[in-house]
Amino acid sequence: GESVGLHLPTLSVQEGDNSIINCAYSNSASDYFIWYKQESGKGPQFIIDIRSNMDKRQGQRVTVLLNKTVKHLSLQIAATQPGDSAVYFCAEIPNQAGTALIFGKGTTLSVSS
Amino acid sequence: DVKVTQSSRYLVKRTGEKVFLECVQDMDHENMFWYRQDPGLGLRLIYFSYDVKMKEKGDIPEGYSVSREKKERFSLILESASTNQTSMYLCASSLDRRQGEEKLFFGSGTQLSVL
Repeated sequence: GESVGLHLPTLSVQEGDNSIINCAYSNSASDYFIWYKQESGKGPQFIIDIRSNMDKRQGQRVTVLLNKTVKHLSLQIAATQPGDSAVYFCAEIPNQAGTALIFGKGTTLSVSS
Repeated sequence: DVKVTQSSRYLVKRTGEKVFLECVQDMDHENMFWYRQDPGLGLRLIYFSYDVKMKEKGDIPEGYSVSREKKERFSLILESASTNQTSMYLCASSLDRRQGEEKLFFGSGTQLSVL
Protein backbone atom coordinates (compact mmCIF):
# COMPACT_ATOMS: atom_id res chain seq x y z
CA GLY A 1 0.00 0.00 0.00
CA GLU A 2 0.96 3.65 -0.02
CA SER A 3 3.37 4.75 2.63
CA VAL A 4 5.15 7.79 3.94
CA GLY A 5 8.78 7.48 4.88
CA LEU A 6 11.56 9.56 6.34
CA HIS A 7 15.07 9.68 5.02
CA LEU A 8 16.94 9.43 8.31
CA PRO A 9 15.91 7.68 11.52
CA THR A 10 18.11 9.96 13.67
CA LEU A 11 19.48 13.49 13.46
CA SER A 12 21.88 15.10 15.91
CA VAL A 13 22.45 18.87 16.00
CA GLN A 14 24.01 21.48 18.23
CA GLU A 15 21.87 23.98 20.07
CA GLY A 16 21.36 27.06 17.93
CA ASP A 17 21.81 25.25 14.63
CA ASN A 18 19.03 24.94 12.09
CA SER A 19 17.56 21.44 11.70
CA ILE A 20 16.09 19.94 8.57
CA ILE A 21 14.03 16.79 8.77
CA ASN A 22 13.03 15.16 5.52
CA CYS A 23 10.16 12.98 4.43
CA ALA A 24 9.34 11.27 1.14
CA TYR A 25 5.77 10.32 0.33
CA SER A 26 4.61 7.94 -2.34
CA ASN A 27 0.97 8.86 -2.99
CA SER A 28 0.82 11.61 -5.58
CA ALA A 29 -2.88 12.02 -4.83
CA SER A 30 -2.26 13.14 -1.26
CA ASP A 31 -3.53 16.66 -0.67
CA TYR A 32 -2.73 17.36 2.96
CA PHE A 33 0.40 16.88 5.05
CA ILE A 34 1.15 17.32 8.72
CA TRP A 35 4.23 17.29 10.91
CA TYR A 36 3.95 15.97 14.44
CA LYS A 37 6.36 16.09 17.36
CA GLN A 38 6.39 13.34 19.97
CA GLU A 39 8.28 13.82 23.20
CA SER A 40 9.18 10.91 25.41
CA GLY A 41 6.13 9.54 27.25
CA LYS A 42 3.65 11.71 25.37
CA GLY A 43 1.37 11.40 22.40
CA PRO A 44 2.23 13.15 19.11
CA GLN A 45 1.52 16.87 19.02
CA PHE A 46 0.61 18.87 15.94
CA ILE A 47 3.35 21.23 14.73
CA ILE A 48 2.38 22.51 11.32
CA ASP A 49 0.42 21.46 8.26
CA ILE A 50 0.38 22.24 4.55
CA ARG A 51 -2.02 21.60 1.70
CA SER A 52 -0.96 20.47 -1.73
CA ASN A 53 -1.79 23.84 -3.30
CA MET A 54 1.07 25.41 -1.30
CA ASP A 55 4.86 25.04 -1.49
CA LYS A 56 5.80 26.58 1.81
CA ARG A 57 4.26 27.43 5.12
CA GLN A 58 5.85 29.08 8.11
CA GLY A 59 5.09 28.91 11.79
CA GLN A 60 6.96 29.96 14.87
CA ARG A 61 10.58 28.81 14.26
CA VAL A 62 9.31 26.09 11.91
CA THR A 63 8.86 25.98 8.16
CA VAL A 64 7.40 23.19 6.09
CA LEU A 65 8.36 22.85 2.44
CA LEU A 66 6.47 20.72 -0.05
CA ASN A 67 7.92 19.63 -3.37
CA LYS A 68 5.19 17.82 -5.24
CA THR A 69 7.39 17.14 -8.25
CA VAL A 70 9.60 14.77 -6.29
CA LYS A 71 7.03 14.02 -3.57
CA HIS A 72 9.18 15.39 -0.81
CA LEU A 73 8.29 17.14 2.43
CA SER A 74 10.65 18.79 4.87
CA LEU A 75 10.47 20.41 8.27
CA GLN A 76 12.95 23.13 9.08
CA ILE A 77 13.49 24.19 12.68
CA ALA A 78 15.35 27.44 13.20
CA ALA A 79 17.72 27.94 16.13
CA THR A 80 17.15 24.44 17.48
CA GLN A 81 16.78 24.22 21.24
CA PRO A 82 17.16 21.28 23.65
CA GLY A 83 13.38 21.30 24.07
CA ASP A 84 13.09 20.40 20.38
CA SER A 85 14.56 16.98 21.10
CA ALA A 86 11.83 14.52 20.15
CA VAL A 87 10.65 12.15 17.46
CA TYR A 88 9.20 13.91 14.43
CA PHE A 89 6.64 12.29 12.17
CA CYS A 90 5.30 13.38 8.83
CA ALA A 91 1.81 12.28 7.87
CA GLU A 92 -0.31 12.51 4.76
CA ILE A 93 -3.95 12.22 3.87
CA PRO A 94 -4.62 10.77 0.42
CA ASN A 95 -7.33 12.61 -1.45
CA GLN A 96 -9.96 9.96 -0.89
CA ALA A 97 -13.09 10.15 1.19
CA GLY A 98 -12.89 8.20 4.41
CA THR A 99 -9.12 7.81 4.41
CA ALA A 100 -7.18 8.28 7.60
CA LEU A 101 -3.74 9.82 8.08
CA ILE A 102 -0.76 7.73 7.02
CA PHE A 103 2.32 8.22 9.16
CA GLY A 104 5.99 7.86 8.40
CA LYS A 105 8.26 5.98 10.77
CA GLY A 106 9.75 9.01 12.46
CA THR A 107 13.07 10.82 12.86
CA THR A 108 14.59 11.20 16.31
CA LEU A 109 16.09 14.66 16.74
CA SER A 110 18.74 15.03 19.44
CA VAL A 111 19.89 18.50 20.39
CA SER A 112 23.07 18.90 22.39
CA SER A 113 24.07 22.01 24.31
CA ASP B 1 -7.59 23.12 23.92
CA VAL B 2 -8.73 19.75 22.67
CA LYS B 3 -8.31 17.03 25.21
CA VAL B 4 -8.10 13.37 24.36
CA THR B 5 -8.00 11.22 27.46
CA GLN B 6 -6.96 7.62 27.61
CA SER B 7 -8.12 5.86 30.72
CA SER B 8 -4.87 4.10 31.59
CA ARG B 9 -1.25 5.10 31.19
CA TYR B 10 0.10 1.60 31.85
CA LEU B 11 -1.63 -1.78 31.74
CA VAL B 12 -0.33 -5.26 32.39
CA LYS B 13 -2.49 -8.16 31.27
CA ARG B 14 -2.13 -11.89 30.84
CA THR B 15 -2.37 -13.85 27.61
CA GLY B 16 -5.97 -14.71 26.81
CA GLU B 17 -7.52 -11.90 28.84
CA LYS B 18 -10.08 -9.59 27.32
CA VAL B 19 -8.73 -6.05 27.41
CA PHE B 20 -10.58 -2.76 27.07
CA LEU B 21 -8.78 0.48 26.24
CA GLU B 22 -10.95 3.53 26.68
CA CYS B 23 -10.62 6.91 25.02
CA VAL B 24 -12.68 10.06 25.51
CA GLN B 25 -12.48 13.39 23.69
CA ASP B 26 -14.12 16.58 24.89
CA MET B 27 -14.39 18.69 21.73
CA ASP B 28 -17.34 17.11 19.92
CA HIS B 29 -15.08 15.66 17.23
CA GLU B 30 -16.66 13.51 14.56
CA ASN B 31 -13.71 11.21 13.96
CA MET B 32 -11.79 8.96 16.31
CA PHE B 33 -8.86 6.65 15.72
CA TRP B 34 -6.81 3.94 17.37
CA TYR B 35 -3.14 3.49 16.47
CA ARG B 36 -0.45 1.29 17.87
CA GLN B 37 3.14 2.42 18.00
CA ASP B 38 6.08 0.05 17.96
CA PRO B 39 9.83 0.76 17.69
CA GLY B 40 10.92 0.82 14.07
CA LEU B 41 7.37 0.51 12.77
CA GLY B 42 5.96 3.93 13.56
CA LEU B 43 2.23 4.47 14.00
CA ARG B 44 -0.07 1.91 12.47
CA LEU B 45 -3.81 2.39 12.20
CA ILE B 46 -5.95 -0.28 13.83
CA TYR B 47 -9.50 1.06 13.51
CA PHE B 48 -11.23 4.37 13.05
CA SER B 49 -14.73 5.76 13.27
CA TYR B 50 -16.38 8.66 11.46
CA ASP B 51 -19.60 8.60 13.41
CA VAL B 52 -21.37 6.98 16.31
CA LYS B 53 -21.84 3.25 15.78
CA MET B 54 -19.69 3.36 12.66
CA LYS B 55 -16.27 1.76 12.34
CA GLU B 56 -13.73 1.18 9.63
CA LYS B 57 -10.79 -1.20 9.59
CA GLY B 58 -7.37 0.29 9.44
CA ASP B 59 -4.16 -1.40 8.36
CA ILE B 60 -3.89 -3.94 11.20
CA PRO B 61 -7.37 -4.75 12.58
CA GLU B 62 -6.73 -8.44 13.24
CA GLY B 63 -7.14 -9.34 16.90
CA TYR B 64 -8.94 -6.10 17.72
CA SER B 65 -12.45 -4.74 17.73
CA VAL B 66 -13.88 -1.32 18.58
CA SER B 67 -17.00 0.23 19.96
CA ARG B 68 -18.39 3.73 19.53
CA GLU B 69 -21.72 3.98 21.30
CA LYS B 70 -21.32 7.68 22.09
CA LYS B 71 -19.69 10.40 20.04
CA GLU B 72 -17.10 11.26 22.67
CA ARG B 73 -15.98 7.72 23.48
CA PHE B 74 -14.09 5.18 21.37
CA SER B 75 -13.09 1.87 22.90
CA LEU B 76 -10.51 -0.59 21.64
CA ILE B 77 -11.06 -4.22 22.59
CA LEU B 78 -8.57 -7.04 22.55
CA GLU B 79 -10.81 -10.11 22.63
CA SER B 80 -8.01 -12.45 23.71
CA ALA B 81 -4.77 -10.66 24.39
CA SER B 82 -1.57 -12.11 22.98
CA THR B 83 2.06 -11.21 23.63
CA ASN B 84 2.44 -9.70 20.16
CA GLN B 85 -0.12 -7.09 21.18
CA THR B 86 2.30 -5.63 23.69
CA SER B 87 2.61 -2.07 22.43
CA MET B 88 1.90 1.61 22.95
CA TYR B 89 -1.69 2.36 21.98
CA LEU B 90 -2.60 5.87 20.91
CA CYS B 91 -6.08 7.25 20.56
CA ALA B 92 -6.74 10.32 18.42
CA SER B 93 -9.63 12.46 17.25
CA SER B 94 -10.25 15.00 14.50
CA LEU B 95 -13.03 17.47 13.90
CA ASP B 96 -14.41 16.71 10.46
CA ARG B 97 -12.64 15.84 7.24
CA ARG B 98 -15.53 17.20 5.20
CA GLN B 99 -14.85 20.64 6.64
CA GLY B 100 -11.13 20.45 5.98
CA GLU B 101 -10.35 19.76 9.62
CA GLU B 102 -8.34 16.60 9.34
CA LYS B 103 -5.54 17.11 11.80
CA LEU B 104 -5.45 14.61 14.61
CA PHE B 105 -5.24 15.36 18.29
CA PHE B 106 -3.68 12.54 20.29
CA GLY B 107 -4.01 11.20 23.80
CA SER B 108 -0.94 10.44 25.90
CA GLY B 109 -1.04 6.76 25.10
CA THR B 110 -1.50 3.48 26.96
CA GLN B 111 1.51 1.21 27.29
CA LEU B 112 0.09 -2.30 27.28
CA SER B 113 2.18 -5.28 28.30
CA VAL B 114 0.78 -8.75 27.71
CA LEU B 115 2.57 -11.43 29.69
